Amino acid sequence: QQPVQSPQAVILREGEDAVINCSSSKALYSVHWYRQKHGEAPVFLMILLKGGEQKGHDKISASFNEKKQQSSLYLTASQLSYSGTYFCGTESLSGGYQKVTFGTGTKLQVIP
Amino acid sequence: NAGVTQTPKFRVLKTGQSMTLLCAQDMNHEYMYWYRQDPGMGLRLIHYSVGEGTTAKGEVPDGYNVSRLKKQNFLLGLESAAPSQTSVYFCASSGTGAGNQPQHFGDGTRLSIL
Repeated sequence: QQPVQSPQAVILREGEDAVINCSSSKALYSVHWYRQKHGEAPVFLMILLKGGEQKGHDKISASFNEKKQQSSLYLTASQLSYSGTYFCGTESLSGGYQKVTFGTGTKLQVIP
Repeated sequence: NAGVTQTPKFRVLKTGQSMTLLCAQDMNHEYMYWYRQDPGMGLRLIHYSVGEGTTAKGEVPDGYNVSRLKKQNFLLGLESAAPSQTSVYFCASSGTGAGNQPQHFGDGTRLSIL
């Protein structure tokens, strides 16, 4: 079952902030975040492991609450280069293997 | 510095034809995956492999078969292509253990079934 991402789409002006949420109905081992630009492959941003940790990547950070089975991606002082579709991937145990299931994505557009 | 290489990049098939998509990685990764990406659906896992000689079904395996005879290669086969299989196909790989290892994606194969 795919994790649910919200919002589905968002438009920002340069310098504005945004939050993208990801929630799952399954117990999670970790959460992955990726960004995909139009016509390109998804690119890894960060992984969050159990423990409620937060991670940062330039002005992009994320949190993971395993009790609530939720993760949030925070984009601060957005830049034009942040435009793209953001996917969360939630890792759970399935058939004896750990497997990552991706959400349907959040399309982010940053305008001047 | 190749990473994950997919061939072909584009292909047009007629309904009922068969074809094989090839994925090759040079990072000595244990895990390999095949996804399909359709508008509004995100990335959906077709099949995956946790090591040479192993394969497992993902979320949408019907109509596809896979093989991992060599660690570096993961093949996706369509035995009898259907228009519903028109999609962009991505291959990915990750190191030992899926959870704390990022997935590295190929550039994708754009497949159209007429």
